[in-house]
Amino acid sequence: DVKVTQSSRYLVKRTGEKVFLECVQDMDHENMFWYRQDPGLGLRLIYFSYDVKMKEKGDIPEGYSVSREKKERFSLILESASTNQTSMYLCASRISYITPQHFGDGTRLSIL
Amino acid sequence: DAKTTQPPSMDCAEGRAANLPCNHSTISGNEYVYWYRQIHSQGPQYIIHGLKNNETNEMASLIITEDRKSSTLILPHATLRDTAVYYCIVRELNAGNMLTFGGGTRLMVKP
Repeated sequence: DVKVTQSSRYLVKRTGEKVFLECVQDMDHENMFWYRQDPGLGLRLIYFSYDVKMKEKGDIPEGYSVSREKKERFSLILESASTNQTSMYLCASRISYITPQHFGDGTRLSIL
Repeated sequence: DAKTTQPPSMDCAEGRAANLPCNHSTISGNEYVYWYRQIHSQGPQYIIHGLKNNETNEMASLIITEDRKSSTLILPHATLRDTAVYYCIVRELNAGNMLTFGGGTRLMVKP
């Protein structure tokens, strides 16, 4: 079974804090993704990684960075959290570019 | 990605088959039909995908019409846990990285 695990289901942080969201997959997938999902805006891609230490910006990378030091782990970093980053964050992974993406359960992040 | 049209909502009785339609009249020859669902407060879950032949897995069946302009996702014996928003997506296998969901169909399975 495909398993993508996000470290927290719910998280509350304060404005200006540095926030780390972790995602782990145990299926040896090459590609990993970070999305955010907001009502009325659907899924928006923040960053993706097609291999270890490789990353590319998605549609809305501003205010975020990522790290992929090991194949199984992809971290999303909010450098200085702001209230407009309150959202549901979804991590996904896939074997390669021709296979479906599989998602974690999401982290609902609130920035106060 | 080709545009898809789905009914906004559907009801289904528990234990009965749920048939969720999707229209994709502008689909091109190398575009696949994918289905995902999202249960409230969870991440999207991949269900099934296909090109032109009907497909079946442990979760569902996908029926694609011969002209490929529409498809139906079938959940053979719906349970209350199948209540979710179901998304039909049409895209090439190597279409790029971002997955885009449209409005989807909100399926309510009732006891």
